[in-house]
Order: sequence, then C-alpha cells, then structure tokens
Amino acid sequence: EAQVTQNPRYLITVTGKKLTVTCSQNMNHEYMSWYRQDPGLGLRQIYYSMNVEVTDKGDVPEGYKVSRKEKRNFPLILESPSPNQTSLYFCASSFSSGSKHTFGSGTRLTVV
Amino acid sequence: GENVEQHPSTLSVQEGDSAVIKCTYSDSASNYFPWYKQELGKRPQLIIDIRSNVGEKKDQRIAVTLNKTAKHFSLHITETQPEDSAVYFCAAIEGGNEKLTFGTGTRLTIIP
Repeated sequence: EAQVTQNPRYLITVTGKKLTVTCSQNMNHEYMSWYRQDPGLGLRQIYYSMNVEVTDKGDVPEGYKVSRKEKRNFPLILESPSPNQTSLYFCASSFSSGSKHTFGSGTRLTVV
Repeated sequence: GENVEQHPSTLSVQEGDSAVIKCTYSDSASNYFPWYKQELGKRPQLIIDIRSNVGEKKDQRIAVTLNKTAKHFSLHITETQPEDSAVYFCAAIEGGNEKLTFGTGTRLTIIP
C-alpha cells in the first residue's frame, strides 16, 4: 500500500531534549516536506527536499533540522525543543512540488 | 515570498446548497494551485488541483476556477452533503522555487 509513515503519533517531551520525528515513504517520490499545523495558521512549511541531499528552508525553519540521506526517509530533528514548537506536524511526499502531496498521519508534539 | 489569503475562515451552508471558498495569491509566477480537505483528526487529502494554463476544472460536485489576472482561485462545491463538512485548504507553488504555501483554512459545516 502506498503510504507515508510518520513516527511517533504522539510525543510529550521536555524543553531542550533533542528529538527526531521519522518520516518514510514507499512511493519513490522525489519531493518530501514537513509542515506544522497550528490553529488559525493553517499548514506552514518547515523544510522541503527535492531529492537526496537536496534540502531547503520553508517558511518556518527556525529551530528545526532535516536530512535526506536516502530517497525514502526525511527525518525532522529538533535539537533543543521549546514550548513554542508544540504543534501538529505532518510529513508529505509527492513526485514533484507541483503534484499531489500524500500526507502522513501526523505527529502531535507537546513540549513542556 | 508567496502569500496566500483564504476566505472565509468559517462557512455554514444548508445541505444541498452550494459553498464557495476563495483564495488570493501574491506571486504572479505561481503555477500550481491545489485544494486539500482535512476531516477532523485526519490528514489533509487532495481533492482537486489546477495549473496556471487552465481557467477551470471540474470533478463531479467540485470545481476550481482560476483568474490569473486577478491572482485568485476559488473552490466551488455544489449539492453539499454532510460528508463535505471539513476544513479546506488552498495552496500555491511559489514561482521560481519549489515552496508550497497554504492558506489558513476554511471550516465548512453542512447543516442537515
């Protein structure tokens, strides 16, 4: 089944404790991206990647890192999480930026 | 960068009536405009998209129109049904790069 798999679904952590949210797709998509969703603000792009070893900043990249060492994986790294990073995070993949995005099931992150 | 504005933020319509959601964008070079539907607690899913070389696209009860001169595009849902209740997001690809910018969403409620 074609899908984007995110883990974990829920995460509560403390300020400053490094964490990684994993994202994997099995559709051989070149384009992958991360979004955060906050009430009233919609979906805001954090980082995107057009291919292996090619990543670029979205609209809200501060406090986040990503890597794209393999085509299928695109982890989101929070080196020192802060409470303002409490949010719902979605990973997505597509053949290109101008084609249908397939979203993962989301990760609800709480930073206390 | 690209700026996408979406209106209204909430919309209630009687079952069977039509619903219209409007978005404007700022970058005249934007060339891809998708619409996503997000049901409560679920991931966003593409419902229709349009490219800048087309003025209108229809898929059963859903249609999207694009006015490049005015830089706005609209989602039209006819004969609304209870299952159309959801949050709808418009988006635009920023011309010249691969960033996808979303609007802030419209919560559509269909009143039985």
